[in-house]
Amino acid sequence: DAMVIQNPRYQVTQFGKPVTLSCSQTLNHNVMYWYQQKSSQAPKLLFHYYDKDFNNEADTPDNFQSRRPNTSFCFLDIRSPGLGDAAMYLCATSRATVAGTDTQYFGPGTRLTVL
Amino acid sequence: GQQVMQIPQYQHVQEGEDFTTYCNSSTTLSNIQWYKQRPGGHPVFLIQLVKSGEVKKQKRLTFQFGEAKKNSSLHITATQTTDVGTYFCAGHKTGANNLFFGTGTRLTVIP
Repeated sequence: DAMVIQNPRYQVTQFGKPVTLSCSQTLNHNVMYWYQQKSSQAPKLLFHYYDKDFNNEADTPDNFQSRRPNTSFCFLDIRSPGLGDAAMYLCATSRATVAGTDTQYFGPGTRLTVL
Repeated sequence: GQQVMQIPQYQHVQEGEDFTTYCNSSTTLSNIQWYKQRPGGHPVFLIQLVKSGEVKKQKRLTFQFGEAKKNSSLHITATQTTDVGTYFCAGHKTGANNLFFGTGTRLTVIP
């Protein structure tokens, strides 16, 4: 089945130790998103790729970076995780036909713990 | 900036009772989408509304998009324990790829 896959599902890192989360998709969607979701809150968009074009949200800290080497894969790099970065990180994809009218398909998420 | 608020934040109902969550945007939206997130799960798409005043039904769920395209509602008739979860509305501004998620309503159904 076509899907959005995130690895790992659970990640534990130490304060300040870089960590990379990965997302892959078999949907061949041209837009990929990274969200941060903290407990009892809505998903917060960090950035998204429209094809190879990177779009950063204005309030996303510089500590968060992303790479999209090809259509199928997208990575979230946290350069120096702080305790406040502990959260669920959700990857989503969508097919942009008419801009702003596409459904987003979410992966299962990676729960990040920072010790 | 763009704000999408939902009320109530939490709702507890007895199984069989109805439930409604309301979504209000500070700006006009090109469409509204609804997602359901089960405890420990990820958001799952339910439906999209595009037209002003549009109403759609999915079994016991009824979705409405306001005439001004700034508000929406989700109504569940005769709730079941499988309806438990957080319901998020999310909207696109015209021409934008990113969704603005509402604050969510967490529904608890008491058997």
